[in-house]
Amino acid sequence: DTGVSQNPRHKITKRGQNVTFRCDPISEHNRLYWYRQTLGQGPEFLTYFQNEAQLEKSRLLSDRFSAERPKGSFSTLEIQRTEQGDSAMYLCASSLSGQGVPYEQYFGPGTRLTVT
Amino acid sequence: RKEVEQDPGPFNVPEGATVAFNCTYSNSASQSFFWYRQDCRKEPKLLMSVYSSGNEDGRFTAQLNRASQYISLLIRDSKLSDSATYLCVVTSYGQNFVFGPGTRLSVLP
Repeated sequence: DTGVSQNPRHKITKRGQNVTFRCDPISEHNRLYWYRQTLGQGPEFLTYFQNEAQLEKSRLLSDRFSAERPKGSFSTLEIQRTEQGDSAMYLCASSLSGQGVPYEQYFGPGTRLTVT
Repeated sequence: RKEVEQDPGPFNVPEGATVAFNCTYSNSASQSFFWYRQDCRKEPKLLMSVYSSGNEDGRFTAQLNRASQYISLLIRDSKLSDSATYLCVVTSYGQNFVFGPGTRLSVLP
């Protein structure tokens, strides 16, 4: 399967715990995006990388959230001291880009986080 | 005002009907436009890119009006399998993708 993969697919955690999600993009894609989606809403942008550089972070991304893409391949998203409001689907997407113009994004299946 | 707005829906239409969705965006510098489809509890999947001249893919037609900052999606001869949420996506040079809230479509037998 050469699509975007995410692990784990589901995560249930207690409030206050830390969680880490992983995303493996399509191999030739240089851009990688993280989104959060809650029921009835479109995906909300969190952050994106071009290769290993984190180019933009949303105001939604509080200090408890951190993302890395150390070798420009897979990425991790960590949430520290989880809160119930963090419960959502976390989606990863990847794309090519050229001359700064982004191409269409391809999404992974998402990680559904439930904070109890 | 939100950056990308869509018809609130839901749209309930009979099989075979033609249905149109509208999307407006606020950033006049926006360059690239897409329609994505999202099935319940699944990830969004690219339906089609939207080009300035308008484009068609089978039963689906997308149009862009830059002057009015408006994008549309027309679905002809609706099938039961078209039931999903349709997401309008807008992006600009060097910027992230901005998704609309989505319009839910139910095609009824």
